[in-house]
Amino acid sequence: LAKTTQPISMDSYEGQEVNITCSHNNIATNDYITWYQQFPSQGPRFIIQGYKTKVTNEVASLFIPADRKSSTLSLPRVSLSDTAVYYCLFPSGYALNFGKGTSLLVTP
Amino acid sequence: GAGVSQSPRYKVAKRGQDVALRCDPISGHVSLFWYQQALGQGPEFLTYFQNEAQLDKSGLPSDRFFAERPEGSVSTLKIQRTQQEDSAVYLCASSPRGLAGAVEQFFGPGTRLTVL
Repeated sequence: LAKTTQPISMDSYEGQEVNITCSHNNIATNDYITWYQQFPSQGPRFIIQGYKTKVTNEVASLFIPADRKSSTLSLPRVSLSDTAVYYCLFPSGYALNFGKGTSLLVTP
Repeated sequence: GAGVSQSPRYKVAKRGQDVALRCDPISGHVSLFWYQQALGQGPEFLTYFQNEAQLDKSGLPSDRFFAERPEGSVSTLKIQRTQQEDSAVYLCASSPRGLAGAVEQFFGPGTRLTVL
């Protein structure tokens, strides 16, 4: 079963760019890398998904190197409302394996 | 449009009681998932339905856990003879297509179950 490794927690100030890196050494050839965000007392919410190189949407960017053994979620100019847990994951069969995620705290 | 809804939002049960948790997925979504999230942990997969067929129940922790989706829409997760270790948030998610993984999953707010 493929595993992901990401920092347990990160702190940032408002307005800064935040980069969260995830390691996934044994990702399968056809696996997509997906990031979810979860606020307290809410279900996770899809942020971004990619296979290789760079993907950007209105919320974040996802950088995936050629070997695909890691990925970096980039949040530009974070605000207090970006305080949440961020999960890097990819599917295992039908399931999403969330792991413990990275708890991001944004302060003024 | 309406998202995934779950009821009740909170449930307190005495040890040994049976509970039933309901999930209303987004209309027309083929896939439905149940996850269990313990305090401070990420969600863990319990089971997966494609329409009314339960294709994967490998994550159900014991035979006290049972899920159904008889008409391919609403789903119920039932836990019999609840134990304290069943205390967790139970999350339901749906997605529009039958292939999981590469398809975004839409989560409900969860049901927080506390077993006393």
